Amino acid sequence: DAGVIQSPRHEVTEMGQEVTLRCKPISGHDYLFWYRQTMMRGLELLIYFNNNVPIDDSGMPEDRFSAKMPNASFSTLKIQPSEPRDSAVYFCASSLATLAGTYNEQFFGPGTRLTVL
Amino acid sequence: SQQGEEDPQALSIQEGENATMNCSYKTSINNLQWYRQNSGRGLVHLILIRSNEREKHSGRLRVTLDTSKKSSSLLITASRAADTASYFCATDLAGTYKYIFGTGTRLKVLA
Repeated sequence: DAGVIQSPRHEVTEMGQEVTLRCKPISGHDYLFWYRQTMMRGLELLIYFNNNVPIDDSGMPEDRFSAKMPNASFSTLKIQPSEPRDSAVYFCASSLATLAGTYNEQFFGPGTRLTVL
Repeated sequence: SQQGEEDPQALSIQEGENATMNCSYKTSINNLQWYRQNSGRGLVHLILIRSNEREKHSGRLRVTLDTSKKSSSLLITASRAADTASYFCATDLAGTYKYIFGTGTRLKVLA
C-alpha cells in the first residue's frame, strides 16, 4: 500500500487566494483526520470523518476553512480566503476502527507545507 | 481542553544511552499512543497502551502508564542516531475517536 497520499507537498500562495489541499487515505480505512502543525500551537486536530461523514469539526479555526469527503478515497481541505497566519504544515491521517470498537493507530501522510504571503 | 504535555521539551544524549520521555494529561482516557516525527515528515505510530495496561514493550521501546497520576513514560533503550526525532503522546477523548497530541519532546542522539 502506498500509504496516505497528500498533494501538493508544498504550496505557496498570496493572501486572499483560495487554497485546496488533497488527501487520499489508505484503502479500507474508515476514519480520516485533518491536522495542522505550527511551532506555536503544535499539532491541532481540525476535523475528522467517519465513513465520509464529518463527525467533529470543532477544531476548524474559522469559516474560511472547509473540508469535504465526497467518497472513501478522497478528501479536501479548503481555505478561502487564505491569510498569512494559515501558514503551517497540514497533515491528513487515516485509521481503521477495530471490530470491537476500540482504537487503532493513525497513519499520517507526508503533509502539505503551506505558505501564505 | 485535554492535552498531553511532554517533558522534557528537548533531550540530547549519546548513542547507546537510554532516553526517557514523559507525558502528562488532564482527563480520563481509554488509551494513549506514542508517535515519532522525523524532521519534515509525517508522524509514525510507535505504540499504543490501553487504560487497563500498566506497561508495554515493543523492541527497544518500553511504555508505562499510570492512570492515577495521569502520566505515561516512553523509554528508548540503547539509543541510536536514527532515533533522533520528535516524540509525541496522544490521548483519546473518551467516547470519540478524537485524539489530542502533546507538545512533543525533541530527542537528539549524538553519534
